[in-house]
Amino acid sequence: SQTIHQWPATLVQPVGSPLSLECTVEGTSNPNLYWYRQAAGRGLQLLFYSVGIGQISSEVPQNLSASRPQDRQFILSSKKLLLSDSGFYLCAWSVQGGFETQYFGPGTRLLVL
Amino acid sequence: DQQVKQNSPSLSVQEGRISILNCDYTNSMFDYFLWYKKYPAEGPTFLISISSIKDKNEDGRFTVFLNKSAKHLSLHIVPSQPGDSAVYFCAALSGGSNYKLTFGKGTLLTVNP
Repeated sequence: SQTIHQWPATLVQPVGSPLSLECTVEGTSNPNLYWYRQAAGRGLQLLFYSVGIGQISSEVPQNLSASRPQDRQFILSSKKLLLSDSGFYLCAWSVQGGFETQYFGPGTRLLVL
Repeated sequence: DQQVKQNSPSLSVQEGRISILNCDYTNSMFDYFLWYKKYPAEGPTFLISISSIKDKNEDGRFTVFLNKSAKHLSLHIVPSQPGDSAVYFCAALSGGSNYKLTFGKGTLLTVNP
């Protein structure tokens, strides 16, 4: 069966510090991978998606970036965090092609102070 | 512009009764719809989906109804249980993109014993 991991679970960072969140998927090959953010009182917003190694599409312009160095690894980064980057970050995966359900990881709660 | 709307931020139901969660959408290109359930500090869990070629899909206690002419879908939970208490998100995919899930803001369901 497939599983998706995210770490860390919780992170408190000062404004201006860098960020690196990691997501890995097990039990599947060549998945689509996604980064979402849920800000307080809001729904889920798609930040990035990837259909393959090194292929990243950005949905929302911001100071965040994503990378996919390996087939089942997806990384969310920032060089300098802003207060507005606080939120709950979720990684998700789906099978390639067609209308496929996205399955979410446990999430990372980020608090920028 | 919010393309997927869940107009009720919260819903309270008695255990054993029916819970009806509603979702409206504006983009006529949406043709695949999903419901997710989310507990605090956890990732969303997929519940049930429906393709636009159907008007009903049932899985155990969960039934999703789709009214394409009204651009409306609903999730019925019968009978409701206290463990169903969570935030429920409606999400949609468009035919032009099998990657981008558009989420509503969610409805908090509370099932009272």
